[in-house]
Amino acid sequence: ETGVTQSPTHLIKTRGQQVTLRCSSQSGHNTVSWYQQALGQGPQFIFQYYREEENGRGNFPPRFSGLQFPNYSSELNVNALELDDSALYLCASTSRGSYNSPLHFGNGTRLTVT
Amino acid sequence: AQTVTQSQPEMSVQEAETVTLSCTYDTSENNYYLFWYKQPPSRQMILVIRQEAYKQQNATENRFSVNFQKAAKSFSLKISDSQLGDTAMYFCAFMKHNNNDMRFGAGTRLTVKP
Repeated sequence: ETGVTQSPTHLIKTRGQQVTLRCSSQSGHNTVSWYQQALGQGPQFIFQYYREEENGRGNFPPRFSGLQFPNYSSELNVNALELDDSALYLCASTSRGSYNSPLHFGNGTRLTVT
Repeated sequence: AQTVTQSQPEMSVQEAETVTLSCTYDTSENNYYLFWYKQPPSRQMILVIRQEAYKQQNATENRFSVNFQKAAKSFSLKISDSQLGDTAMYFCAFMKHNNNDMRFGAGTRLTVKP
């Protein structure tokens, strides 16, 4: 069983730039969620993708967008980066239809915006 | 909106002793799930234990057990026979039934001392 994998592990960007983070879901999982974890805080829900469509969104502006592909992998795109976007971005997958199925997380991408 | 509160930012325990981490949550839902996740320095969120709200019996996983008080909206985690490898951030999380959107508390940093 392949777990959730994220790339890259670390990334440094400049304010105003755009970034794309990638996630491969665990085998057998069809739903991907993205979380932002600022230093010293709990993960905050960004959005979730199911069947290649956004299926729930947290309190994040439209410059945070995503995609899900037919193989259930996903991308998180952030435009016009701000300093406060510096955080650990976690991807998690689960199997929709198993409603008590917990999220399985990747190791995250550490984004630093300077 | 659902909120999860962890009132203990940091805790420590001697190896082999028992420690309890607190969590309270606020919801108007009747069907939901609660989780404890562990995040070691490796950054990956690892599921420790889960509880279905409709079950009165407290969940147990080896050295980990919960005290679920639905009326009080309390969900504490007890770690028995603490081990050095238990040192990590611990996050309490809430998920509504029929919804894969998981909400996290701010976390408790647990240090197990030799």
